[in-house]
Amino acid sequence: AQTVTQSQPEMSVQEAETVTLSCTYDTSENNYYLFWYKQPPSRQMILVIRQEAYKQQNATENRFSVNFQKAAKSFSLKISDSQLGDTAMYFCAFMSNNAGNMLTFGGGTRLMVKP
Amino acid sequence: GAVVSQHPSRVICKSGTSVKIECRSLDFQATTMFWYRQFPKQSLMLMATSNEGSKATYEQGVEKDKFLINHASLTLSTLTVTSAHPEDSSFYICSAPHAGGINEQFFGPGTRLTVL
Repeated sequence: AQTVTQSQPEMSVQEAETVTLSCTYDTSENNYYLFWYKQPPSRQMILVIRQEAYKQQNATENRFSVNFQKAAKSFSLKISDSQLGDTAMYFCAFMSNNAGNMLTFGGGTRLMVKP
Repeated sequence: GAVVSQHPSRVICKSGTSVKIECRSLDFQATTMFWYRQFPKQSLMLMATSNEGSKATYEQGVEKDKFLINHASLTLSTLTVTSAHPEDSSFYICSAPHAGGINEQFFGPGTRLTVL
């Protein structure tokens, strides 16, 4: 079974600065997908970014980028130019390529962006 | 993007009653849907996988007779909490993967259940 670990329960960052959220996972599989989801106070889950394990290039979506280290099984999220609207819970998630689209979530990191 | 709706958004019920929560994929078909439970300040915990045309698959520790799941069509799954008790109070979220094979799940807005 896969496990996903987020070692930072809470983090804070000043507006306009950069913050990195950590995520590690454990799997014996070679083909899989990794995701970062944002859950704002509304509690609607929003996809931030995704990474296919077979791609060496790190995914980037505007101010959000990942550092995917497959050998180390690490998948960190970097948020640049943090904005007040980035305040939310962030969940790292793993999806096997052969488990019917099932997601395994990490415990989450609560991010507070301070003005 | 694909849209998943949930109804109701919040419900308050008395202990011992049953509550039905609907999850609909509005603009795509979903042969599979997932039901999660989320306690305050915690992560999403997968309860079960809803399969259109067959029985749901429950995660270990989840009582299938307590949480009845029916996947009535390619766009609708329902979760019924039977004989609800205060400890069933939680936030319930459904998700559906897009059948187009893009390996992405789309989440409903969630249902807050409070059992008095």
